[in-house]
Amino acid sequence: KQEVTQIPAALSVPEGENLVLNCSFTDSAIYNLQWFRQDPGKGLTSLLLIQSSQREQTSGRLNASLDKSSGRSTLYIAASQPGDSATYLCAVRTDNFNKFYFGSGTKLNVKP
Amino acid sequence: GAGVSQSPSNKVTEKGKDVELRCDPISGHTALYWYRQSLGQGLEFLIYFQGNSAPDKSGLPSDRFSAERTGGSVSTLTIQRTQQEDSAVYLCASSKQAGNSYNEQFFGPGTRLTVL
Repeated sequence: KQEVTQIPAALSVPEGENLVLNCSFTDSAIYNLQWFRQDPGKGLTSLLLIQSSQREQTSGRLNASLDKSSGRSTLYIAASQPGDSATYLCAVRTDNFNKFYFGSGTKLNVKP
Repeated sequence: GAGVSQSPSNKVTEKGKDVELRCDPISGHTALYWYRQSLGQGLEFLIYFQGNSAPDKSGLPSDRFSAERTGGSVSTLTIQRTQQEDSAVYLCASSKQAGNSYNEQFFGPGTRLTVL
């Protein structure tokens, strides 16, 4: 069974810092990987989707990389802002398309 | 356009009662997923619907849980004889699938279920 791990579980940084969130998965037979943010009491908002054939995706201040063979993805957030405070989740879609496996998330707090 | 909607947003019930949770996916999305998020935990896959194919029910935790999707659109997750450990946020997601292209999931706001 696929297991997804996110490190660190929580992170607190001052505004303006660049930061990296990590996601690792045990089975490299994935179809794609998706990063989400979750605000308290709300659903998930999709940030970036990386297909298994891709190495990275960028959207604004966010950059996600994927190393499928080593079972790792990173989410890089540049020039962090207080509005970035949320829980960040990564999810891998298995090769049979049906299942997504989620990590338990990294709770980010960006201090003004 | 409208996103994924779920109702109710909050549900408080007594142990042993049945509950129904509803999900309206984005129009045109053929894939629909249900997840459960317990306090402080990650998302747990429950069930997956794709078009008219038989659903993937492999994530349902017990036979008290069932789900259906009528007309390829709205889905209902039913929990019978609720237990306190069923308390969680139940999230629904949908995605568009065309040919062999599997696109990103869009999530609803969730239903917070509390079993007393």
